[in-house]
Parts: sequence; C-alpha cells; structure tokens
Amino acid sequence: GAVVSQHPSWVICKSGTSVKIECRSLDFQATTMFWYRQFPKQSLMLMATSNEGSKATYEQGVEKDKFLINHASLTLSTLTVTSAHPEDSSFYICSAGWADTQYFGPGTRLTVL
Amino acid sequence: GEDVEQSLFLSVREGDSSVINCTYTDSSSTYLYWYKQEPGAGLQLLTYIFSNMDMKQDQRLTVLLNKKDKHLSLRIADTQTGDSAIYFCAEKDAGNQFYFGTGTSLTVIP
Repeated sequence: GAVVSQHPSWVICKSGTSVKIECRSLDFQATTMFWYRQFPKQSLMLMATSNEGSKATYEQGVEKDKFLINHASLTLSTLTVTSAHPEDSSFYICSAGWADTQYFGPGTRLTVL
Repeated sequence: GEDVEQSLFLSVREGDSSVINCTYTDSSSTYLYWYKQEPGAGLQLLTYIFSNMDMKQDQRLTVLLNKKDKHLSLRIADTQTGDSAIYFCAEKDAGNQFYFGTGTSLTVIP
C-alpha cells in the first residue's frame, strides 16, 4: 500500500519550453502533496506544499510563476516548470501525505538543453 | 527551520552491523523517520517511530530514540551489499512540517 507514482521518470527539453510532471497516489487519497528538488549528492529541498482544492504554499525563494502547482484531485498533483532553462535541470521528487508520514514517488530527472 | 544532522559517509563490511546516527533540534517532534534512497530513485520509507517510544525493531532494522539528547539511530544487522544507499532521517514537528537530514551515504564492502 501507499504507492506514489510520477510521470515522466525522465524528460529532456529545449530551453524555453514548459514541462509538466505528474504525481499520483495510486492506492490512497492524499489531501496534501509535496514537491521537492534534489541536487546531486544533496538532501531534499522542499519547493512547495500542495493542498487539494487550494493554492499551493511555496517555500521562500521558490518562484510560484515559474513552478506552477495544481492539485486538482485527491490523487493527482502536477508541477509545471514554465520556460525551463538549464539551471532548472534537476531531480524532482513528489511525496504524498498519508497516515502520519510521507510516501515518495520515484522522481523525475529533468534535463534542459 | 529545524536542524537535522547526519554524518555524510559510512562504510561497513558485508555481514557487519551498520549504525547510522541522526541528531535534531526540535523538541516538539511527533514522529521520526528513516528513508532509503538508491541511485536515481525516490525515497523509500524504511521505518518510523513515535516520539514517546525508545525503540522499534523491524526484522534487520532497529531504531533507537533518545528524546532527551534528541538523538536517533538506525541499526542494520547483517548488512548486505543491497543496503548500499543514502539514508535520510526526518522528523515531523507538531505543526506537521517535515525536516530532512542531510543524508548518510552507506557503502557496504564485500
């Protein structure tokens, strides 16, 4: 139980394009989902907390117009990286809150050329 | 935010026990967690402990919590090469905010 999926698992795009990453809780409903960014050999950096049916709460320093988050249902949250640039290349991981813990997706490797 | 600290690296020989340590500063922690991350993958929840517990054992994993010293450890018995990964501790505060440690890279030497 408590499985979280992410799609795509990796994506390569050109600079200036937008990329959408999906995060789904497969066997439970998640009122809260989290989006993290992880740089090589570093810990997780929380980008935003996404609550179903309301606006996401962004961490300090994270541009909400750059990283659009939508949590339209209890099983799906999406992160759209708008007008991506090479510095946005990273590993993006989502998690879903359930039963006092967070369950993580497998991550999405974004490479912007 | 709260600080959660871990040593960066640990090497052990296959078959030995591994002990990964974590310290935190938040006195209002409710739950503490251990996650495992293999290369290129997300975080896998290994185990977690409620803050009023001292110990939790789950097969080869033993979690010890010293709440007074704000110290959490994860012991892996009979460590195998498949245990090589990065291990993150995390704590959840009274406001349901999660704080992750810096991660400990465990290398198991055959």
